[in-house]
Amino acid sequence: EAQVTQNPRYLITVTGKKLTVTCSQNMNHEYMSWYRQDPGLGLRQIYYSMNVEVTDKGDVPEGYKVSRKEKRNFPLILESPSPNQTSLYFCASSAPSRTSGGYEQYFGPGTRLTVT
Amino acid sequence: SQKIEQNSEALNIQEGKTATLTCNYTNYSPAYLQWYRQDPGRGPVFLLLIRENEKEKRKERLKVTFDTTLKQSLFHITASQPADSATYLCALRGFKTIFGAGTRLFVKA
Repeated sequence: EAQVTQNPRYLITVTGKKLTVTCSQNMNHEYMSWYRQDPGLGLRQIYYSMNVEVTDKGDVPEGYKVSRKEKRNFPLILESPSPNQTSLYFCASSAPSRTSGGYEQYFGPGTRLTVT
Repeated sequence: SQKIEQNSEALNIQEGKTATLTCNYTNYSPAYLQWYRQDPGRGPVFLLLIRENEKEKRKERLKVTFDTTLKQSLFHITASQPADSATYLCALRGFKTIFGAGTRLFVKA
């Protein structure tokens, strides 16, 4: 089954304790991205990666790092989490679609992170 | 800065009617605009996209229009059903992707 997986799905941690949220896709997509979703603010892009050689900042990259060593994986790293990073995080991957004429994004199930 | 706005209030309609959702944007020239559906606690699901040189796109009961002069997209669900109740997100796609905050749609039986 074509899918994007994220782990963990739920995480409660304390301020300053480094954590990694993994993301993996099995669709051979070049483009991958991380978003956070907060009430009233919608989805905001943290980082995106056009392929294994190109990664760039989205609109809210502060406090986050990413790594794209291989096509299928795109982990999100919080070196020193703070309470304002409490949010719902989504990973997505995409590739051009002949059917729709552009990039369709496939989202993972989300990771709910609480930083106390 | 780039900005994208959707109806912030929830939209309540009766089953069988047409739901129309609005997406407006400023300071952006997207390659295309996308619409997604999101159910509570789940990731968004892609529905349709429309390119800047297209005026209208249809898929089953869904229709999207795109006016680059007005910088606006309209998303229509015809013959709406209670199962269409969800939050609908629009997104502008260039190298980056910018999402609107979404509009909650409630379809009453």
